[in-house]
Amino acid sequence: DIQMTQSPSSLSASVGDRVTITCRASQGIGNYLAWFQQKPGKVPQLLIYTASTLQSGVPSRFSGSGSGTDFTLTISSLQPEDFASYYCQKYNTAPWTFGQGTRVEVK
Amino acid sequence: EVQLVESGGGLVQPGGSVRLSCVASGITLSDYWMHWVRQAPGKGLVWVSRINRDGSSTDYADSVKGRFTISRDNAKNTLSLQMNSLRVDDTAVYYCARPQGGASFDIWGQGTMVTVSS
Repeated sequence: DIQMTQSPSSLSASVGDRVTITCRASQGIGNYLAWFQQKPGKVPQLLIYTASTLQSGVPSRFSGSGSGTDFTLTISSLQPEDFASYYCQKYNTAPWTFGQGTRVEVK
Repeated sequence: EVQLVESGGGLVQPGGSVRLSCVASGITLSDYWMHWVRQAPGKGLVWVSRINRDGSSTDYADSVKGRFTISRDNAKNTLSLQMNSLRVDDTAVYYCARPQGGASFDIWGQGTMVTVSS
């Protein structure tokens, strides 16, 4: 099975910072890559799909890029409501594996 | 409003069984493949299983294969997960989730907690 590896596992940042999270697939997955945000005690929310398509209603400060094996989620200017955990996920074939997550914390 | 509502969680002993249900409203479940995802306390998201629109095809994570069975009753707009031979490490919140066309999960249930403990 294809493994999904996110880095870093956690990061500390300040409001206004540019934040980048990377996700690497152990084999090529085309652009079948999604990003989710999850706040404590809440249900995950879809941010981005097909690696770079912003889900409806998601602020434009979020962006995604990449294809094949290397992907990036960028938050251009971190806002207070963005402190959360982020997960990448492949969905080209089963299993629809998630990365281990990246926790974005207040610096 | 589209809504998925899970039920059936609770405390179960190791080796025991539990059946989770996910009832959909605001959508016709038969239009979609459906999935289960779990999250152990303080841990990340883990994909568990999926089923195609008519229930004829299923896939499972290796960790649950042979122990869990996903099924659906489209007439009742309901997805199910039969969980047998439960282990302590199956303790988690279990979510049902719907993938939107060409993308991943845009609709999630609120989750139901399964605790496996003696």
